[in-house]
Amino acid sequence: AQSVTQLDSHVSVSEGTPVLLRCNYSSSYSPSLFWYVQHPNKGLQLLLKYTSAATLVKGINGFEAEFKKSETSFHLTKPSAHMSDAAEYFCVVSGSAGNKLTFGGGTRVLVKP
Amino acid sequence: GAVVSQHPSWVICKSGTSVKIECRSLDFQATTMFWYRQFPKQSLMLMATSNEGSKATYEQGVEKDKFLINHASLTLSTLTVTSAHPEDSSFYICSAWGTSGINEQFFGPGTRLTVL
Repeated sequence: AQSVTQLDSHVSVSEGTPVLLRCNYSSSYSPSLFWYVQHPNKGLQLLLKYTSAATLVKGINGFEAEFKKSETSFHLTKPSAHMSDAAEYFCVVSGSAGNKLTFGGGTRVLVKP
Repeated sequence: GAVVSQHPSWVICKSGTSVKIECRSLDFQATTMFWYRQFPKQSLMLMATSNEGSKATYEQGVEKDKFLINHASLTLSTLTVTSAHPEDSSFYICSAWGTSGINEQFFGPGTRLTVL
């Protein structure tokens, strides 16, 4: 069994300041982990993925995440928030078969000017 | 990257009618497609997994007779909401798992269903 917990349902940051979205996972095996972003009434866009290679993963739009096995965490960061980063973010873990995904509850990011 | 489309992007229907949503992988073959449901301000919940040429596997609590899934080809899966009711109103999202072995699902843009 696997599960994902996003520790913050809402995060509010000022434009130009760092963003941190926290994610903890539970898995019986070596997981693949993903971060997706969803803008209002839109589908999901993959930001980055971890698949047992480098633990620090760089994604699109300046986002990166670090896989820490000892802490079972996969936190997402960005050094400087932009107004366009306002969206819903989902941390996702894949199943043992590699294709069944389990979604976290989501974190809504608000960027203040 | 791989592209998945959904049609329609939004639909409004009367209670008691059926609605079909299509999910297509445009530039790759998808052996497996997934259907998710997302209520407002909530996360995605997996409804069912469909493999080309076989019956769909439904998650616990999902009525298979209400949500009919057909995966007739390697590029097309359909979800039919039968006898729709207002509580079926939701955002339905499909995803496709390619045959290339890449450990990633590609998501469609979603279909907003409103049942009056």
